[in-house]
Amino acid sequence: LAKTTQPISMDSYEGQEVNITCSHNNIATNDYITWYQQFPSQGPRFIIQGYKTKVTNEVASLFIPADRKSSTLSLPRVSLSDTAVYYCLVGNSSASKIIFGSGTRLSIRP
Amino acid sequence: DVKVTQSSRYLVKRTGEKVFLECVQDMDHENMFWYRQDPGLGLRLIYFSYDVKMKEKGDIPEGYSVSREKKERFSLILESASTNQTSMYLCASFPGGSGSPLHFGNGTRLTVT
Repeated sequence: LAKTTQPISMDSYEGQEVNITCSHNNIATNDYITWYQQFPSQGPRFIIQGYKTKVTNEVASLFIPADRKSSTLSLPRVSLSDTAVYYCLVGNSSASKIIFGSGTRLSIRP
Repeated sequence: DVKVTQSSRYLVKRTGEKVFLECVQDMDHENMFWYRQDPGLGLRLIYFSYDVKMKEKGDIPEGYSVSREKKERFSLILESASTNQTSMYLCASFPGGSGSPLHFGNGTRLTVT
């Protein structure tokens, strides 16, 4: 399973756009990139998933360059409620041993 | 929506007790996982199961065992609880197939005294 590297923490302010980048140099051809969000005392929850280029849903966008060795989660106009830990995972349907990295602790200030 | 239910939100047990943590999912998922989460250490995989009666060790299986007698239920067993097993335990399920994410329960916070 491809190892991922993310910043340990990030700070931002309400209303700003936040971009969190994840490195995954050993990504395999059939691997997907998935991002999760975790609030204190809760399990992680799925935010967005992509394979290449750009994916957008109601909460975030995911940008994946052509070489797929990194990806960037973009949160538009963050609010205080976006304060959480964000995890990037790389894997595919056959990867049954799913390992989480350390995640990025995002703090949003008023 | 997929629902992953962990039987207890909070649990307090004594050292040496046998502890059962139960997890049930309602979407017929093939794969189920148990993680523990500790401050500064992130989520660490204890065991996972890819089918009924099948199990594989994760990164930290010592002191734990699991049981998967039915597809929807995956149990984590602490044979003899110790204080260093005080942690948040998270169960997840995963259907397999491209584009399928993990679905987590809300966790069980276990305290061993």
